[in-house]
Amino acid sequence: GNSVTQMEGPVTLSEEAFLTINCTYTATGYPSLFWYVQYPGEGLQLLLKATKADDKGSNKGFEATYRKETTSFHLEKGSVQVSDSAVYFCALQETSGSRLTFGEGTQLTVNP
Amino acid sequence: KAGVTQTPRYLIKTRGQQVTLSCSPISGHRSVSWYQQTPGQGLQFLFEYFSETQRNKGNFPGRFSGRQFSNSRSEMNVSTLELGDSALYLCASSQGSIETQYFGPGTRLLVL
Repeated sequence: GNSVTQMEGPVTLSEEAFLTINCTYTATGYPSLFWYVQYPGEGLQLLLKATKADDKGSNKGFEATYRKETTSFHLEKGSVQVSDSAVYFCALQETSGSRLTFGEGTQLTVNP
Repeated sequence: KAGVTQTPRYLIKTRGQQVTLSCSPISGHRSVSWYQQTPGQGLQFLFEYFSETQRNKGNFPGRFSGRQFSNSRSEMNVSTLELGDSALYLCASSQGSIETQYFGPGTRLLVL
C-alpha cells in the first residue's frame, strides 16, 4: 500500500536558519504530493502541492520539488521565522481517489 | 469564501455513549472526507462522501459511520464510544474526489 515517511523530529532552528524536512513516499502510479501545516489547536492548512514529476510547489517562502526518481518531496525554506513554528505533514493522494496518506509529522520550533 | 466549519469544537463523552460530529464544506465543494488524528496513530482516513454516497472507506470498525446531505454537509457518528476514540476528528472538503482537500479546525473528542 501507499506510505509516506518523514524525517524524525522535532527540529529546532534559530531564526533565519535554512530549513529542510525530508519526505519520501511509496505509491503505485503517479500520486499528487502535498505539504500541510498544523498550528497549535488548529486543523491542517495546505502549504503547497505538486501534481506531477518535476513540479515545484511553493508558498510563503517554502518550496518542494516532486522527484519521481528518488520518490521524494522535501520541504525547504531559506530563512525561517518564529511564526513558522508548527507541525508539518507530508501527504500523498492517489490519482484514483480522495484518500490522503500522511507522514508522521515533523514538529518545527524556531527560536528568536 | 468561508472555509470548512466543524461543530462542536470540543466534546466530552463517557464510554458506551455515542456522538455525532458535523461538517459544513466550502461552498461549491461536493466531496467531504473525514480523518482521525491521535498522537499514537497519526492522521488516518475514515471515509469520503461525494454526492451523498460513500465513495471510500478506511480501516475503522463499523462503530464509525457517516452520511452526507443534499447540501453537501456531512455528519459522522461514533457509537459505543471507547477510550481509544479520544482524538481530533478532522473534516476536509474538495470540489471533487481527486481535487485538493481543505481542512476544517477539527472537533476534539475526549472519552472518559
